[in-house]
Amino acid sequence: DVKVTQSSRYLVKRTGEKVFLECVQDMDHENMFWYRQDPGLGLRLIYFSYDVKMKEKGDIPEGYSVSREKKERFSLILESASTNQTSMYLCATVWAVNTEAFFGQGTRLTVV
Amino acid sequence: GENVEQHPSTLSVQEGDSAVIKCTYSDSASNYFPWYKQELGKRPQLIIDIRSNVGEKKDQRIAVTLNKTAKHFSLHITETQPEDSAVYFCAASPSGGYNKLIFGAGTRLAVHP
Repeated sequence: DVKVTQSSRYLVKRTGEKVFLECVQDMDHENMFWYRQDPGLGLRLIYFSYDVKMKEKGDIPEGYSVSREKKERFSLILESASTNQTSMYLCATVWAVNTEAFFGQGTRLTVV
Repeated sequence: GENVEQHPSTLSVQEGDSAVIKCTYSDSASNYFPWYKQELGKRPQLIIDIRSNVGEKKDQRIAVTLNKTAKHFSLHITETQPEDSAVYFCAASPSGGYNKLIFGAGTRLAVHP
């Protein structure tokens, strides 16, 4: 079984704080993704990585950055948290082209 | 880039009825179309997928159809049960590689006993 683990289930942060969301997978998958889930908007792609130290912007990268120093770990960074970044964040991993995406359990982030 | 539209946003059916969710996509080079089910408080999980060289795929009570010409695909659930109640997301894998998925906005399905 693929395990995709996000470091926190719930987080509350203050406006302006730097926030780190961590995701770890145990299946040696090359491709990792960060999505943001909001009601009525579905899952929107923030950033993805197809190899260590490689990253690509998704559809809504503004206000975010990522880090992938090791294959199994992909971090999402909110440089200066704002209230409009309050959301559910989902990490996902994919082994190969056109195969199943495995999701983490999600981190519900509230910025106050 | 790829854009996926999903309808309806909510769907309410009686147990035993069929449910149909429809999606359209914009990138004609997209070639992989999965469907994910997300139960309340849980992570999305793949329930069925279809590749562009196939027109229809069935797995027990669920089926997916793909019309490449019209750029739309649909999820069909027959003999619905209360445990089918969840949010369903369609997705498309656009050209350009990297295995990324672009998701629709989701459909909240409620199956009433």
